Amino acid sequence: AQSVTQPDIHITVSEGASLELRCNYSYGATPYLFWYVQSPGQGLQLLLKYFSGDTLVQGIKGFEAEFKRSQSSFNLRKPSVHWSDAAEYFCAVAPHSGGGADGLTFGKGTHLIIQP
Amino acid sequence: EAGVTQFPSHSVIEKGQTVTLRCDPISGHDNLYWYRRVMGKEIKFLLHFVKESKQDESGMPNNRFLAERTGGTYSTLKVQPAELEDSGVYFCASSRRRTVGTGELFFGEGSRLTVL
Repeated sequence: AQSVTQPDIHITVSEGASLELRCNYSYGATPYLFWYVQSPGQGLQLLLKYFSGDTLVQGIKGFEAEFKRSQSSFNLRKPSVHWSDAAEYFCAVAPHSGGGADGLTFGKGTHLIIQP
Repeated sequence: EAGVTQFPSHSVIEKGQTVTLRCDPISGHDNLYWYRRVMGKEIKFLLHFVKESKQDESGMPNNRFLAERTGGTYSTLKVQPAELEDSGVYFCASSRRRTVGTGELFFGEGSRLTVL
């Protein structure tokens, strides 16, 4: 069965500093990969997704993620964080069409704290 | 365009009572999903509707949970009788496309359930 690991439960970053959130997955084949963000009082919002092709994907709010097949990783990055980026971030995978359950498999989430 | 709406935002009930959560998807979205996040755990898939039909209910924990989507519009998730371990946040999501990997999921803010 597929699984997603986000090894960092909490990360604290100073405003203006760079950010990298880690995500590793376990799956029989290359799945679809996603990063979602949940800000306080909001629903989950899709930041970016990887289906195929270029392994560096750009998302909203200045985020990007790089798919590394050899490491089964899909880490999320941002060169300079803003206080408004404080939120919980979820990595998720889904099977390609025609296989597996219909739902997303999520990691446990990483809570990002921004220091002034 | 209105987003996914969930009601109530927070419900506190005693063990053994019944609670019904409601989800209104985005208009025109045939696909509706329920997910649950128990504290400290991953967000887990519960089930998937395509219009009024249950496409995949492999994530439903037990028969105390009943989901319906009469008429293919809004959906309800009933927990009867509620147990302590049912506490968590219940998310609803909708999408236009059937296969989650190719279509973006739009999430509601979640319904927090506390069972005392």
